[in-house]
Amino acid sequence: KAGVTQTPRYLIKTRGQQVTLSCSPISGHRSVSWYQQTPGQGLQFLFEYFSETQRNKGNFPGRFSGRQFSNSRSEMNVSTLELGDSALYLCASREGRAGNTIYFGEGSWLTVV
Amino acid sequence: KNEVEQSPQNLTAQEGEFITINCSYSVGISALHWLQQHPGGGIVSLFMLSSGKKKHGRLIATINIQEKHSSLHITASHPRDSAVYICASYMYSGGGADGLTFGKGTHLIIQP
Repeated sequence: KAGVTQTPRYLIKTRGQQVTLSCSPISGHRSVSWYQQTPGQGLQFLFEYFSETQRNKGNFPGRFSGRQFSNSRSEMNVSTLELGDSALYLCASREGRAGNTIYFGEGSWLTVV
Repeated sequence: KNEVEQSPQNLTAQEGEFITINCSYSVGISALHWLQQHPGGGIVSLFMLSSGKKKHGRLIATINIQEKHSSLHITASHPRDSAVYICASYMYSGGGADGLTFGKGTHLIIQP
């Protein structure tokens, strides 16, 4: 069974641009969540989707958004990029909404210059 | 708001030593995860606990719900155990999952 796949793995963007990151969960997993990891703040929860509905959102500005498609694949978008958005963005999936093991992708390394 | 505290932040030990990493959280939770992150970013879920104790190979995780405390133990540590270990609490509120709240991580180095 293929794991959680994130694309692209590495990208460099300029301040003010926008970026879209993609996540393909493990087959059969309907819950997809996104996290940001920085050296200063550590890992922080961005949002979680289940069956195309956003179930919860972390404490991030509206520039951060996401969506989930009917095949459970998910995308997150960051608009008007700031230098502080440079981070590792991790996607994770699990079979249900709670009580199941969570599986992480390798992450997308975003550098904003 | 749930706060998750881990200790120690950094730990260097010799191969073969018994390792303990501690995690405390501030509010009642639905489950607690122990995660392992190697250089390069990939995160692996080691355990998910809601009560008691779990064991997998040389790894043991325990949780005390009343004391809001969990520990991760590594027996007969090996250099390949060198990684960052992160605990994360999960609170399921019924109306919508609250997502994971993470500790800052414990950077473990096992020297040969």
